Amino acid sequence: EAQVTQNPRYLITVTGKKLTVTCSQNMNHEYMSWYRQDPGLGLRQIYYSMNVEVTDKGDVPEGYKVSRKEKRNFPLILESPSPNQTSLYFCASSFLDNSPLHFGNGTRLTVT
Amino acid sequence: AQSVTQPDIHITVSEGASLELRCNYSYGATPYLFWYVQSPGQGLQLLLKYFSGDTLVQGIKGFEAEFKRSQSSFNLRKPSVHWSDAAEYFCAVGAREYGNKLVFGAGTILRVKS
Repeated sequence: EAQVTQNPRYLITVTGKKLTVTCSQNMNHEYMSWYRQDPGLGLRQIYYSMNVEVTDKGDVPEGYKVSRKEKRNFPLILESPSPNQTSLYFCASSFLDNSPLHFGNGTRLTVT
Repeated sequence: AQSVTQPDIHITVSEGASLELRCNYSYGATPYLFWYVQSPGQGLQLLLKYFSGDTLVQGIKGFEAEFKRSQSSFNLRKPSVHWSDAAEYFCAVGAREYGNKLVFGAGTILRVKS
């Protein structure tokens, strides 16, 4: 089944404790992206990647890192999480021809 | 700057009634447009998309949307709402000039009353 898989689904952590949210897709998509969803703000892009070893900042990249060492994986790293990063995070992927995005089921992160 | 506006934060309709969710965009390029639906605890699922051609597009679950360039709008419609349509709906806009980047609206929460 074609899908985007994020883990974990839920994560509660404390300020400053490094964490990684994994994202994997099995559709051979070149394009992958991370979004955060906050009430009243819709989805805002954090980082995106056009292919292996090619990443770039989205609209709200501060406090986040990403890497794209393999085509299928695009982990989101929070080196020192802060409470304002409490949010619902989505990974998405697509082909590079402006195809619709395929979304994972989301990761709800709480930073206390 | 590119922007997408969904004027209605919440909408409540009776089951069986018609539905229209509004989406307006501001874009400096020829846009392509999507509607996504998000059920509680789920990711976003594509309902329909417009790239070019016929301005009335059909999607899944009986939804349709009409692209009106003169009004910069891409409103989502359904003739008869079912209780299972209760969800949050997002309009998203992109353009070839901006690669695969999509700009999302803030979403509209649809409630269906029986």
